[in-house]
This record gives sequence, C-alpha cells and structure tokens, in this order.
Amino acid sequence: GDSVTQMEGPVTLSEEAFLTINCTYTATGYPSLFWYVQYPGEGLQLLLKATKADDKGSNKGFEATYRKETTSFHLEKGSVQVSDSAVYFCALRSGGATNKLIFGTGTLLAVQP
Amino acid sequence: NAGVTQTPKFRILKIGQSMTLQCTQDMNHNYMYWYRQDPGMGLKLIYYSVGAGITDKGEVPNGYNVSRSTTEDFPLRLELAAPSQTSVYFCASSYGERGEKLFFGSGTQLSVL
Repeated sequence: GDSVTQMEGPVTLSEEAFLTINCTYTATGYPSLFWYVQYPGEGLQLLLKATKADDKGSNKGFEATYRKETTSFHLEKGSVQVSDSAVYFCALRSGGATNKLIFGTGTLLAVQP
Repeated sequence: NAGVTQTPKFRILKIGQSMTLQCTQDMNHNYMYWYRQDPGMGLKLIYYSVGAGITDKGEVPNGYNVSRSTTEDFPLRLELAAPSQTSVYFCASSYGERGEKLFFGSGTQLSVL
C-alpha cells in the first residue's frame, strides 16, 4: 500500500544553518504531497503542498519539489530560525474519494541560537 | 474563527472506563477524521466521515466507535479503555477535494492507567 518514509530525528541545527529533511514515498497513481508542521502543544498545520510532478511548494522560506523520478519530496530551508523548531511531517494523499492522508513518522527539528 | 475544536485537552482513564472525545468544526466541512499520534509512529487514521450519517474505518479502528449525526460534530467513543489506547488524538476536517489541506484541532492527550 501507499507509504511515506522520512528521515529520523531529532535534527539539531544552529540558527541560520541550511535545513534538509528527506522524504520519500511509495504510491500508485499520482498522489498529492504535503508537508505539515506541528509546533509544541498544537495541532498540525499545512506548511506547503505539491499536487503534480515537478511542482514546487513553498511557504515561510521552506521549499519542497515533487520529484516523481526519485519518488521524493524533500523539505529545505536556506536559513533556519529558532522559531522553526517543531515536528515536521511529510504526507501523501492516497487515491480514492476520501481525501485521506498517510503520514510519515515525523522529524523533530531543534534550532539553537 | 474557531476552526476545529476538541475537548478535553487532557484526560486520564482507568482500564475499562469509557469516554467520548468531542470534536466540532464550524467551517461546514463535509470530511472529518480522527487520528492518533504515538511517539515515533506518526499519525494513524482511526475513523473518517465523508458527510453526516456516513462513517468508515481507517487503519486502526479497533476499540473505537464514531458517529456523525450532524455536519459539525464527529465524536470518538472509547468503550473499554486499554493501556494501548494511551496516545494523543487529533480530529481534522476538510472540504474533501483532491489536494486540499486538512484543518486539525489542538489534540487530546489521553492516558489509560
């Protein structure tokens, strides 16, 4: 079945460092891909999305490109801030009419000043 | 501008007790979901609903029940609580269109002792 694999954390970076969080997927058809972010004590929020191959999703300085040839959707940011400390989830929308999301296990990012 | 509201935020249950986790949304979304989040395991779908009167099982439905009598409300029922149900529970909703984001509540942290 459909699945998402993302790099394990925690990822600890200094402020202004470059961030990459890897995400690969297995799916039939052409899924939509998402990155959600969860700040401490809160629910998940959509960070960015891409709905077809070669699309680039971007928001708040984060970017991810839908790579069908490598089945990947890696999250990147050029210069992280302390306020980016959170758990990041890669997800795909499975096929069918239910709009269900399949999530990866999440990657904790800790940014130190 | 409430969005998705979950109650309670925290709860401790004894083994064998029952309880209902409440979820309500004010966005007139047709689709609603219950996920559980276990450490290092990402989010797993428990039940979902595509409209009032329609519910279906997700990946991990055992030990839970749901109902959807109105568009706004989607309560999750635990009949005989077990330690394996200790988790953080998230309710979410969406319009249901392909590629469209889910809106999440802030979660209920449940401990079964």
